[in-house]
Amino acid sequence: LAKTTQPISMDSYEGQEVNITCSHNNIATNDYITWYQQFPSQGPRFIIQGYKTKVTNEVASLFIPADRKSSTLSLPRVSLSDTAVYYCLVVPVMNRDDKIIFGKGTRLHILP
Amino acid sequence: NAGVTQTPKFQVLKTGQSMTLQCAQDMNHNSMYWYRQDPGMGLRLIYYSASEGTTDKGEVPNGYNVSRLNKREFSLRLESAAPSQTSVYFCASRKSATRNSNQPQHFGDGTRLSIL
Repeated sequence: LAKTTQPISMDSYEGQEVNITCSHNNIATNDYITWYQQFPSQGPRFIIQGYKTKVTNEVASLFIPADRKSSTLSLPRVSLSDTAVYYCLVVPVMNRDDKIIFGKGTRLHILP
Repeated sequence: NAGVTQTPKFQVLKTGQSMTLQCAQDMNHNSMYWYRQDPGMGLRLIYYSASEGTTDKGEVPNGYNVSRLNKREFSLRLESAAPSQTSVYFCASRKSATRNSNQPQHFGDGTRLSIL
């Protein structure tokens, strides 16, 4: 399983765009990049995933360069409610044993 | 649909007691997982089950056992609880990935377990 590295914590202000970068140097051809969000006292919630280039949904955008060795989660115009832990995962498609490992995530703190 | 349901939500045990945490999903998912979360540690995989009838060890399986009772239910058992097992436990389920897509995990709300 490919290992991911992301900042332990980040601070930003309301209304700013926040970018969280994740490194996954040994990503394999069949791996997808997946991001989860976890609020205090709740289970993680899937927010976005991608394989290459750019993916956008109503919550975030995900930028993946051509070599796929890193990815950047972009949160536009954050609010206080975006304070959470964000996890970057590299998940193999067609992995027969279906093992999925989380790291420590990035603790994002939004300030007023 | 309820999604992933964990019971109980809270539990306090004494050292040496046994306990089974229950997890059920109603999404017809093939894979199910148990994670524990400690402050500053992120989520660590305890056990997982890729399909009914199969279970595999994760990162931190010692002190735990699991049972995949049927496709819906995946229980986690502490045979002799220890203070080091004080944690928040999350169950998750996932539809098996297909060739060209990854299926995300769906998580329950967690069980907060304290071992005295």
